[in-house]
Amino acid sequence: AQKITQTQPGMFVQEKEAVTLDCTYDTSDQSYGLFWYKQPSSGEMIFLIYQGSYDEQNATEGRYSLNFQKARKSANLVISASQLGDSAMYFCAMRERDAGNMLTFGGGTRLMVKP
Amino acid sequence: GAGVSQSPRYKVAKRGQDVALRCDPISGHVSLFWYQQALGQGPEFLTYFQNEAQLDKSGLPSDRFFAERPEGSVSTLKIQRTQQEDSAVYLCASSSLGVREKLFFGSGTQLSVL
Repeated sequence: AQKITQTQPGMFVQEKEAVTLDCTYDTSDQSYGLFWYKQPSSGEMIFLIYQGSYDEQNATEGRYSLNFQKARKSANLVISASQLGDSAMYFCAMRERDAGNMLTFGGGTRLMVKP
Repeated sequence: GAGVSQSPRYKVAKRGQDVALRCDPISGHVSLFWYQQALGQGPEFLTYFQNEAQLDKSGLPSDRFFAERPEGSVSTLKIQRTQQEDSAVYLCASSSLGVREKLFFGSGTQLSVL
């Protein structure tokens, strides 16, 4: 089974609108971390936001927030007020304690922001 | 610099050649990861080091791939007898230990095998 599933290969959003990128995960570990990374066409991997399995509050970092639903094993990324510079690939990833702290990525979602 | 450094940035190899890709992690980072990323896809795990110990090499696609981190800092990914299917971007990342710790990535090495 896939550890991390991102079901949206591509998404369009109008500039200044909000967009949600989906991520579901599969683990039996009690202690894990969920991460979102952005990868623009330049290829660098940019850390956006982190959510811990024991965190009760949803994580927020500026325009990024994480909609964490532990029982459903989902960790969707919400980007508010989209900007043209948000056009990029977005990867959801999970780090599991029992897997030796290894980080596993989903297949990614390509976000395209329309002016 | 303070970030993860990878070299070379680009590598063109003839099929059958051996290549070595270098990663300089952030100083003090215990964990070091290698990933392979094909065009338009997510990074695929190759191998993971904690200090000098290679804890997981389950992602290495064949015995032509070999990684080392002999002193617990710099790491080298070696690919012997390169094949066209080895063409990809190879990403190195380092972090402190723990599930809360984010990975810091290098810019990657783009390998093209002709």
